Amino acid sequence: DGGITQSPKYLFRKEGQNVTLSCEQNLNHDAMYWYRQDPGQGLRLIYYSQIVNDFQKGDIAEGYSVSREKKESFPLTVTSAQKNPTAFYLCATASGFAGELFFGEGSRLTVL
Amino acid sequence: GQNIDQPTEMTATEGAIVQINCTYQTSGFNGLFWYQQHAGEAPTFLSYNVLDGLEEKGRFSSFLSRSKGYSYLLLKELQMKDSASYLCAATRNTGGFKTIFGAGTRLFVKA
Repeated sequence: DGGITQSPKYLFRKEGQNVTLSCEQNLNHDAMYWYRQDPGQGLRLIYYSQIVNDFQKGDIAEGYSVSREKKESFPLTVTSAQKNPTAFYLCATASGFAGELFFGEGSRLTVL
Repeated sequence: GQNIDQPTEMTATEGAIVQINCTYQTSGFNGLFWYQQHAGEAPTFLSYNVLDGLEEKGRFSSFLSRSKGYSYLLLKELQMKDSASYLCAATRNTGGFKTIFGAGTRLFVKA
């Protein structure tokens, strides 16, 4: 089936630990995005990539890092420098640069 | 700068019509999207406007005025399952295309 797979769905981490969220897609889309959503709020853009081996910072990139070594994959690392990492993280893809976004099911990260 | 504003909450009755407004200010504006998000789930695409005017798709319609920086989503014949958050989102091209979202409008449909 074509789609976007995010893992893990739920993740708990201790303060000071880095954690990597996986995002894999088989839609053959060029553009991939990471968003963060806090309770009762909209989506805020963390990083985005429009081509392999290239990515740009979004509005809230501090404390996060990404890589885009393959078209299918765009992992997000939440580092210990991110002061308030508890949130719902959504990966999205788009077939064109200005096209509709297709979302994965999300990863819910809780810092204990 | 960039800013997208929409009401925080709305309540409507089953079978009625509701209009959710969105105003935006953003450089490099390209187009306007509406997404639906049920609690705990990912957003799903509802509509897209790039030109001024009304786009109709079944029970849902969306309108855009680029000169006024204004859009609305119109939901007709409301059903209980329409209770969700509705996210207004603008695509901008500022050295790279990206989509920015408003905070969302939570719609409660009551019997």
